[in-house]
Amino acid sequence: AQTIHQWPVAEIKAVGSPLSLGCTIKGKSSPNLYWYWQATGGTLQQLFYSITVGQVESVVQLNLSASRPKDDQFILSTEKLLLSHSGFYLCAWSPGTVYEQYFGPGTRLTVL
Amino acid sequence: QQKVQQSPESLIVPEGGMASLNCTSSDRNVDYFWWYRQHSGKSPKMLMSIFSNGEKEEGRFTVHLNKASLHTSLHIRDSQPSDSALYLCAASGANSAGNKLTFGIGTRVLVRP
Repeated sequence: AQTIHQWPVAEIKAVGSPLSLGCTIKGKSSPNLYWYWQATGGTLQQLFYSITVGQVESVVQLNLSASRPKDDQFILSTEKLLLSHSGFYLCAWSPGTVYEQYFGPGTRLTVL
Repeated sequence: QQKVQQSPESLIVPEGGMASLNCTSSDRNVDYFWWYRQHSGKSPKMLMSIFSNGEKEEGRFTVHLNKASLHTSLHIRDSQPSDSALYLCAASGANSAGNKLTFGIGTRVLVRP
């Protein structure tokens, strides 16, 4: 069975500080990977997707970047956090295109 | 302008009652619809998907799709308190790069015991 982990579970960070969020998928090779952001009370917004190692496509520019250093790992980062970065960050995977996307447990980020 | 519109924004349903949720896409390139349920503080879980015109039933949940109007609806019968959650509709197209899902803002359902 496939499992998806995200770390950390929650973060409280200062404006201007760097951020790195991680996601790993076990039990599935070559998954499509996605990063989503959900503001409090807001909808889910897809930020990045990756179909293969080393390749990441940006969907929405929010002063964030993403990388896929390994087949089962997806990293979201920024060098300088903004207040507007607060929210719920979700990693998801799918077996390919036109398939259900399975979400990880998420990371709750508070920027002060 | 949201490309995926959901209504109503919120809904209160008595336990055992029927909840009906609507979703319409304004993007003519949409081919597939997905319904996700998100309990408070948790990540979304897919409930049902529908790709063809008509109706699909799974347990207490039924979805309808009218591809001509790009409208889908989700119906929950015999609603239970555990059905209280945010229901998100998502749409994607066969030619969407990277299987991009566009989500609506959701319908918040509260089932009153």
